[in-house]
Amino acid sequence: DADVTQTPRNRITKTGKRIMLECSQTKGHDRMYWYRQDPGLGLQLIYYSFDVKDINKGEISDGYSVSRQAQAKFSLSLESAIPNQTALYFCATSDATSGRTDTQYFGPGTRLTVL
Amino acid sequence: LAKITQPISMDSYEGQEVNITCSHNNIATNDYITWYQQFPSQGPRFIIQGYKTKVTNEVASLFIPADRKSSTLSLPRVSLSDTAVYYCLVAPASFQKLVFGTGTRLLVSP
Repeated sequence: DADVTQTPRNRITKTGKRIMLECSQTKGHDRMYWYRQDPGLGLQLIYYSFDVKDINKGEISDGYSVSRQAQAKFSLSLESAIPNQTALYFCATSDATSGRTDTQYFGPGTRLTVL
Repeated sequence: LAKITQPISMDSYEGQEVNITCSHNNIATNDYITWYQQFPSQGPRFIIQGYKTKVTNEVASLFIPADRKSSTLSLPRVSLSDTAVYYCLVAPASFQKLVFGTGTRLLVSP
């Protein structure tokens, strides 16, 4: 979805380096998410934010941190990258919807390789 | 969270109807059933959501029996471009952390 953009799209880095992945959205949604996907597997939630002042850990937050700079921006950082963080990373957004589960809109993904 | 079981993979041919069944025996009263589609190297995309009975949109139909312990995503007359992974998710309206399992890999052949 072009309304959710991620930068960079591809990144190769070395063990121990600090990496930041950025996500921007023009959908005006309050809720933003970071997921990682390993080959052949489903998505795992890393962090999520329901508004600028609300940050929550997901299933696999160890080794990651996030920053919600504005409603439209949500960044994911790997403070000291390690090879098993090699994966496809997705940002997603949703709007609070009463009475049913939110529909999430995903970005194109960032392919990260840690050597 | 409800435990989800869906087939690992399915094969079909162009023009056929494909039905993918998802089992969620311990679904809770306030849980909704949602299906997403994911193409290789792309983020998942919402297909359809329902609570009970039948829901239809321009892409698919979702059939949910009265006991809600399973649901079936129906894709009419599939084409090669429907080759993708399909995820069944169950979550309450108030709980926004979606859990994506491994999904069902659908391969549509000519």
